[in-house]
Order: sequence, then C-alpha cells, then structure tokens
Amino acid sequence: DTGVSQDPRHKITKRGQNVTFRCDPISEHNRLYWYRQTLGQGPEFLTYFQNEAQLEKSRLLSDRFSAERPKGSFSTLEIQRTEQGDSAMYLCASHMIPSEAEQFFGPGTRLTVL
Amino acid sequence: DAKTTQPNSMESNEEEPVHLPCNHSTISGTDYIHWYRQLPSQGPEYVIHGLTSNVNNRMASLAIAEDRKSSTLILHRATLRDAAVYYCILLTSGTYKYIFGTGTRLKVLA
Repeated sequence: DTGVSQDPRHKITKRGQNVTFRCDPISEHNRLYWYRQTLGQGPEFLTYFQNEAQLEKSRLLSDRFSAERPKGSFSTLEIQRTEQGDSAMYLCASHMIPSEAEQFFGPGTRLTVL
Repeated sequence: DAKTTQPNSMESNEEEPVHLPCNHSTISGTDYIHWYRQLPSQGPEYVIHGLTSNVNNRMASLAIAEDRKSSTLILHRATLRDAAVYYCILLTSGTYKYIFGTGTRLKVLA
C-alpha cells in the first residue's frame, strides 16, 4: 500500500455513459498526476495538478475528459459519453515537489466500456 | 521530453543476478534516472533512482554510465516475485513529469 487510493477499482459501463473516478493522494503531497494505461503499453501521461491548479493536459485528453482537484486534496477524473476506446486502466500518482524522489502510484481504476 | 530505450523482454533463472539495461542518449544534466516495476493489475512500484553516482537500496542497485547515456538496474538474486515489467524513466526537475516507455518484461524461471 503506497498511501494513494483510487475508487472504484473496477468500472463497467455502457458506451455513451458518463463515469467518474476518484483519487486520494498522500495528504501532504502537492502534485497529483493522472495516467492511462492500455494493455501491453506503459502508462501515458494525461494531466497533473499542483495543489488545486491544473498545470498541464496531454493532447490525449479529449474534450470528453475533465479533471478537478478542489482544495488541492482528492482529485476526480470524469469521462463523458464513454467510447470503447476509453477502456483502460486509469492510474493516479502523487508527489511532493520540489523533490527528485519518486511518485507514489495508486492501484488504478480499470474501466471497461461495453 | 527525453526518451529511454529498453529491451522488450528478458529472462533470468531464479536466484541469479539480473542486469536490466536502459539507454537514454538524450538525457540532460538535470534529469534523474528512475526505475519502477509493475506487476499485473497493479500500479507501478518505485524501485530506485539516481543522478550520477551508482545507488544501492534494499531492492536493487543502479549503475549509471559515466556519460549518463545509459544505466543498468541490477537485481542481485532474482526471485519469482521479481517477475514484472520494469520501466526506466527520466525525471526532469522542474516539470517532474514521467514519460513511460513500454518497459522490459522480466520472466524469472524456477
């Protein structure tokens, strides 16, 4: 257990539905990252927050994706109008900057879109 | 963002040392070299990191080339629990953002 939790661990939804995932980082960490991982690939960076500010979004993050980190604590990632191509593992990580030390990853949320 | 290159897969016998190579020829002076591993259906797990000097911890050792264009993760005695995908990643101070590659899938043979 790294101290980073994600909920739910698994989500099955039908195409066109909206889904929301939650990440609770290590409490004192000021950086929070979201990644997406498909089968056989390494995690792909999606977005990150420093405290409550969203500082960068990947081009992978279409308009159907939105992330928030209100009050700089937990974060949510919402996917609207899900598509089968959104099926993946969604990983959250937290980090304390400035530090060259490691990011701490959660267990991930596995999304299956039918 | 600087990239890394790793072999797709490697095999090792149990209780033998394993050397996992990584090339990062475009590394900049402020990039740290991080290694993670990932078991099936789990998030990546931190293994070790370094900047210029070789590093040891309870999990592994990291050997960094003098020109920093390559590094090697050393597992001193592989166990079946070390079977995982190992990722070599460069962390740029400032952005602190990871760019993962496809990693090396390590198979440990009993």
